Amino acid sequence: AQTVTQSQPEMSVQEAETVTLSCTYDTSESDYYLFWYKQPPSRQMILVIRQEAYKQQNATENRFSVNFQKAAKSFSLKISDSQLGDAAMYFCATYTIYNQGGKLIFGQGTELSVKP
Amino acid sequence: EPEVTQTPSHQVTQMGQEVILRCVPISNHLYFYWYRQILGQKVEFLVSFYNNEISEKSEIFDDQFSVERPDGSNFTLKIRSTKLEDSAMYFCASRGAQGRSQPQHFGDGTRLSIL
Repeated sequence: AQTVTQSQPEMSVQEAETVTLSCTYDTSESDYYLFWYKQPPSRQMILVIRQEAYKQQNATENRFSVNFQKAAKSFSLKISDSQLGDAAMYFCATYTIYNQGGKLIFGQGTELSVKP
Repeated sequence: EPEVTQTPSHQVTQMGQEVILRCVPISNHLYFYWYRQILGQKVEFLVSFYNNEISEKSEIFDDQFSVERPDGSNFTLKIRSTKLEDSAMYFCASRGAQGRSQPQHFGDGTRLSIL
């Protein structure tokens, strides 16, 4: 069975500083994808960034980047120049294909607060 | 940008009653999903749906749950006889068919409260 672990229930960062959120996962699949989703207090689920496991290059999306270590099964999210609007719950998730559909497996989440 | 739409945003129902949660996925998407998030917990997969049939379902998705795509646009989740523990946020998601790396796009969720 696949599992996703986020070992930091809460993190805090000063505005304009950099913060890294940790995520480890376990899967027996060879073909999978990794995502970070953001959930603000409104409880929407917003895609932040994605990474294909077969790609060695780390994904970046503006101020968001990942450090993907496939051998260690680690997928951390780095937020640079943190902004007040980055305050949210962040979920790491893996995705593999079963039959036609596929499903996301989520971690427990990390609550990020941003201090002005 | 196209988005997934869910209605209602909040549903309050008496225990034992049937409830239908509605979703309009992104129009050219072919894969549809329901997820559940109990307050303070992680998001959990319920069911995936493709080509008018269930692709996969979790242990949570028992006989009380069903999904349907009654027309070309709606995707519904029905809970036949609600229990207190069904109280949660329910998210619908959809994914396009253009490659397996396409992310799932989520709706804003329906908060279901069972009294």
